Amino acid sequence: KAGVTQTPRYLIKTRGQQVTLSCSPISGHRSVSWYQQTPGQGLQFLFEYFSETQRNKGNFPGRFSGRQFSNSRSEMNVSTLELGDSALYLCASSSSDRDAFMNTEAFFGQGTRLTVV
Amino acid sequence: GQQVMQIPQYQHVQEGEDFTTYCNSSTTLSNIQWYKQRPGGHPVFLIQLVKSGEVKKQKRLTFQFGEAKKNSSLHITATQTTDVGTYFCAGREGGKLIFGQGTELSVKP
Repeated sequence: KAGVTQTPRYLIKTRGQQVTLSCSPISGHRSVSWYQQTPGQGLQFLFEYFSETQRNKGNFPGRFSGRQFSNSRSEMNVSTLELGDSALYLCASSSSDRDAFMNTEAFFGQGTRLTVV
Repeated sequence: GQQVMQIPQYQHVQEGEDFTTYCNSSTTLSNIQWYKQRPGGHPVFLIQLVKSGEVKKQKRLTFQFGEAKKNSSLHITATQTTDVGTYFCAGREGGKLIFGQGTELSVKP
C-alpha cells in the first residue's frame, strides 16, 4: 500500500507570492489533515477535510486555505506569503467515519519544506 | 480549546540510561497517541491509548495513560542511539490531533 505522498518536497517562494501544496492520501482514507511545523511552534493544526468538506479548522489566518477532491487528494494554498510562513507543511491521512468517532492513527507524508525569502 | 503540554523539551542521555517524557492535557482526552519523528523525517505513529490507567509496552518503550485521562507518559528503558528523535504526544479532538511541543531526545554513545 502506497503511503502519503506530498509534492513538491521543497519550495522557495518570494514574499507576496502564493503557493499550492498537494497531498495524496493512503488509498481508502477519506480524512486528510494539514499541519505546519516550525522549530518555535511545533506541530500546529491547519485544517482537516473529510469527503471534500472541511470538517475542522485551526487558528490560522484566511490566507491559508485548502480543498479536497472526490478522490480524497487534497491541496492547501497560502496566499500573500510572509517570511513567517517558512515551515515544514505536513499532510496526514487517516481512516475515519463521518462523525470522527472512529479515528485511528495518522499517517504522515514526508512534508513540503517551504522557504519564503 | 484543548491544549497539550509536554515536558521536558530536550533530554540528553548517555546510551543505556532511561528516558521519560510527560504529557498533560487541559481537558479530558478520549484517547492519546504517541509519535516519533527522526531528525529530517516525518512523525510516525507509535501507539494509541484509550482506557483510563492503560499501560502498553513495546519492547523497551512503556506508555501510560493517567486514571483521569488527562496525562500520559512514555518511558524508554536503556536508551540506544536508534532512539534519537523527537517524541510527540497528541490528543484527539474529533478529526484533529492536538500535538504537544515534543521532547527531543539525544543519546550519547
